[in-house]
Amino acid sequence: ETGVTQSPTHLIKTRGQQVTLRCSSQSGHNTVSWYQQALGQGPQFIFQYYREEENGRGNFPPRFSGLQFPNYSSELNVNALELDDSALYLCASGTGTRPEQYFGPGTRLTVT
Amino acid sequence: DQQVKQNSPSLSVQEGRISILNCDYTNSMFDYFLWYKKYPAEGPTFLISISSIKDKNEDGRFTVFLNKSAKHLSLHIVPSQPGDSAVYFCAAYSSNDYKLSFGAGTTVTVRA
Repeated sequence: ETGVTQSPTHLIKTRGQQVTLRCSSQSGHNTVSWYQQALGQGPQFIFQYYREEENGRGNFPPRFSGLQFPNYSSELNVNALELDDSALYLCASGTGTRPEQYFGPGTRLTVT
Repeated sequence: DQQVKQNSPSLSVQEGRISILNCDYTNSMFDYFLWYKKYPAEGPTFLISISSIKDKNEDGRFTVFLNKSAKHLSLHIVPSQPGDSAVYFCAAYSSNDYKLSFGAGTTVTVRA
């Protein structure tokens, strides 16, 4: 059984650019959630996808968007990058009926 | 608005003794509470959870206690081992929006 994987590991972008982060869910899981973790803070919920539709959203602007594919892999897209978007982005997968979510290692995004 | 708070940023404990981590929350609609452990350069790892209708859940060396009237939960680790040195996050789950709300974390250091 493979766990949650994310790519790339690290990424450097310039303010105003767009970025796409990728995630492969753990086998048997059908939900995928994305979190942003700033330095010294806990992860902050961005949104969750279930059956390829957004299933819940945190307090993030529309320039944060996502996709879930039929194989349960997922993308997080961020447009018009701002310096404050610099953070660790975590993907987590789970099953629709359980609260436990299982995290990938994260993508470290730096916006300069 | 921080709905989950971990007021102790750090905890140092001697190997073999008990580690007690505390967490407070404000939203009475949370259904489940979870603890995660995080090593540097890795994603959070699920440790243990408790339903809001229970007051205790035990799994090996880890026990979580929930006091709903005080909106408080704690994680007990006994005996503490050097491999327990990590950042521990308290999280709360709401089935209304499927999201996990995290505290800021407590860094545990187990001394030999």
